[in-house]
Amino acid sequence: GAGVSQSPSNKVTEKGKDVELRCDPISGHTALYWYRQSLGQGLEFLIYFQGNSAPDKSGLPSDRFSAERTGGSVSTLTIQRTQQEDSAVYLCASSRTGGSSYSNQPQHFGDGTRLSIL
Amino acid sequence: DQQVKQNSPSLSVQEGRISILNCDYTNSMFDYFLWYKKYPAEGPTFLISISSIKDKNEDGRFTVFLNKSAKHLSLHIVPSQPGDSAVYFCAASPFHTSYGKLTFGQGTILTVHP
Repeated sequence: GAGVSQSPSNKVTEKGKDVELRCDPISGHTALYWYRQSLGQGLEFLIYFQGNSAPDKSGLPSDRFSAERTGGSVSTLTIQRTQQEDSAVYLCASSRTGGSSYSNQPQHFGDGTRLSIL
Repeated sequence: DQQVKQNSPSLSVQEGRISILNCDYTNSMFDYFLWYKKYPAEGPTFLISISSIKDKNEDGRFTVFLNKSAKHLSLHIVPSQPGDSAVYFCAASPFHTSYGKLTFGQGTILTVHP
């Protein structure tokens, strides 16, 4: 497809379980980002991957959160021992990099995974 | 510590009139600003951006204004259409120092009445 693809679209799980969320970025986009949106809040940055560089993990809220990006393409966000406060919509975005123009840089978002922790 | 603020949670406008959405920021390192539109159950859709070297950027019905001294930006939609009804988020990034790390406002719900 032409856009950012995320799966699953919805996930309901019990407190304490581990979950994995998947993101397939736009083909050719070297930068990939994870955000989350809690109820009534704006989007909160979690982690950023750029090519083969070490990721910027500064937004991850705890060590229960981790993310990988294999082969510079698909990314998986893993939440271990889920808590009720982890309930949110998790959004993935990708963008092109390079060039000297700001116009190349907008992040394009998937539709998100709505995570509910019971 | 909210670095990007959208102080109006909602805005209601008549079709054909101008919609003005406002955003304030506190971090002087921000030098790239974007507006996104979001429909329920969908991801945000990029609308328009502006870098700190400009004070205005226009794309069709959408114009973004940046006032760096006031740390304020606004999105103008004219004429407004019912299909513009959505949540609008402004976002900011210190592009040259921490590229890609967007900080978002909490959003403004725009309703355009026919």
